[in-house]
Amino acid sequence: KQEVTQIPAALSVPEGENLVLNCSFTDSAIYNLQWFRQDPGKGLTSLLLIQSSQREQTSGRLNASLDKSSGRSTLYIAASQPGDSATYLCAVIMDSNYQLIWGAGTKLIIKP
Amino acid sequence: DADVTQTPRNRITKTGKRIMLECSQTKGHDRMYWYRQDPGLGLRLIYYSFDVKDINKGEISDGYSVSRQAQAKFSLSLESAIPNQTALYFCATSDFLGDNEQFFGPGTRLTVL
Repeated sequence: KQEVTQIPAALSVPEGENLVLNCSFTDSAIYNLQWFRQDPGKGLTSLLLIQSSQREQTSGRLNASLDKSSGRSTLYIAASQPGDSATYLCAVIMDSNYQLIWGAGTKLIIKP
Repeated sequence: DADVTQTPRNRITKTGKRIMLECSQTKGHDRMYWYRQDPGLGLRLIYYSFDVKDINKGEISDGYSVSRQAQAKFSLSLESAIPNQTALYFCATSDFLGDNEQFFGPGTRLTVL
C-alpha cells in the first residue's frame, strides 16, 4: 500500500531564504506527482505536476524534483515571501488506478 | 468564475440528518472526485467517477453515497450523518486525456453535532 510522508510537518523561516520541502513515497510505481498549496479557508491550488518520466518541473520561484527510484520529491522555493505562507501538500497518482494518495502536508510560515 | 464550485461552503447539522453536498464544474472534465480532509491528515478519497455511468468507491466510502447527475455535476450524500464525519470536503476534477492533473473546488466545511 502506497504511503506518502511529508517532513517536517511545520516550518518557519525568515523572508528571503531559499527552502526545500520534502515528500517521500513507498511505492515507486507512480504515474505522476503533484504539489499543491492550501490556504486557510480556501481550496487546493495545483502548483506543479511532474510526470513519472520527468526529473523536475519549474514555475517561477518554484522547482519540483522527482527521484522515483528513491521515492522522493522536493519542492524548492526561492527567495521566500510572506505570501508563500500556506500548507504545501504532495500527492502521487498510482499507475494502477489513477487515484491520488496524499501526504499530510507541511505548514510553512515565512516571517517578515 | 471558478471552474469547480461547491455548495454549501459551510454546513452545521445534527446527528442522523441527511446531508447533500454538491459540486459543479465548467472545465469539461470527465473525471470527478470527492475527498475529505481531517486535521493533521492528508486528503482521503471517498468516491470517484470517470464518467456519468462509472462510479467507484474510494478508500473511505462507508457512510457516503454519490450521484453523477451529469458530466458537470457530482453530489455527495451522507444518509445519516454522524459526528466523525465532521471534516472538510473537497470536490475535484481531471481530464482523462493527458496527465490527469486534478483541480479542486474551495471545499465544504461540514460539522455534525
